[in-house]
Amino acid sequence: GENVEQHPSTLSVQEGDSAVIKCTYSDSASNYFPWYKQELGKGPQLIIDIRSNVGEKKDQRIAVTLNKTAKHFSLHITETQPEDSAVYFCAALLTGGGNKLTFGTGTQLKVEL
Amino acid sequence: GAVVSQHPSWVICKSGTSVKIECRSLDFQATTMFWYRQFPKQSLMLMATSNEGSKATYEQGVEKDKFLINHASLTLSTLTVTSAHPEDSSFYICSAVEGSTQYFGPGTRLTVL
Repeated sequence: GENVEQHPSTLSVQEGDSAVIKCTYSDSASNYFPWYKQELGKGPQLIIDIRSNVGEKKDQRIAVTLNKTAKHFSLHITETQPEDSAVYFCAALLTGGGNKLTFGTGTQLKVEL
Repeated sequence: GAVVSQHPSWVICKSGTSVKIECRSLDFQATTMFWYRQFPKQSLMLMATSNEGSKATYEQGVEKDKFLINHASLTLSTLTVTSAHPEDSSFYICSAVEGSTQYFGPGTRLTVL
């Protein structure tokens, strides 16, 4: 099966700085990589995703990059704001895996004023 | 965007009772829904895959007779925790699949006394 590792587990940045969270996956057959933001006491919210035929995708302050050869993908948040503080999860979808996502262990991002 | 709701958002029950949690896709039909549980400061743990019109598929270690899943329509899946015990206290989250994208509900906090 698929295995997803996520780093760092905690990340503290100053408001306005950039934040980068990295994930690696084990199965080269994975073809879809979403990122979710989870605020305390709430369900995960999809913030951006990327498919294996694309190397980079951007949506305003959020971008995701994918390196299929190295089997890793990263979330980039620029100009961070206090409301970006949350837990972020990466995930990978294995082709033929019945739409099951394998999640990373999460990154607690704290944006300090 | 796709919206998934859960009801109730929180529930407190006595040990030995059963609790039903509903998951609804509000603006799309979902052949497949997933049920997760999440303990504090941990990632999401997949419990089962709920397929409309057929039996749910449970992950290894999840008791199907304890966690009853019914997916009677394309917009509703229910999870019933039978004979709940304090160790079942957790945050239960469902997701619904549209295309290959999973959209999550807001979660249900279950506390068993």
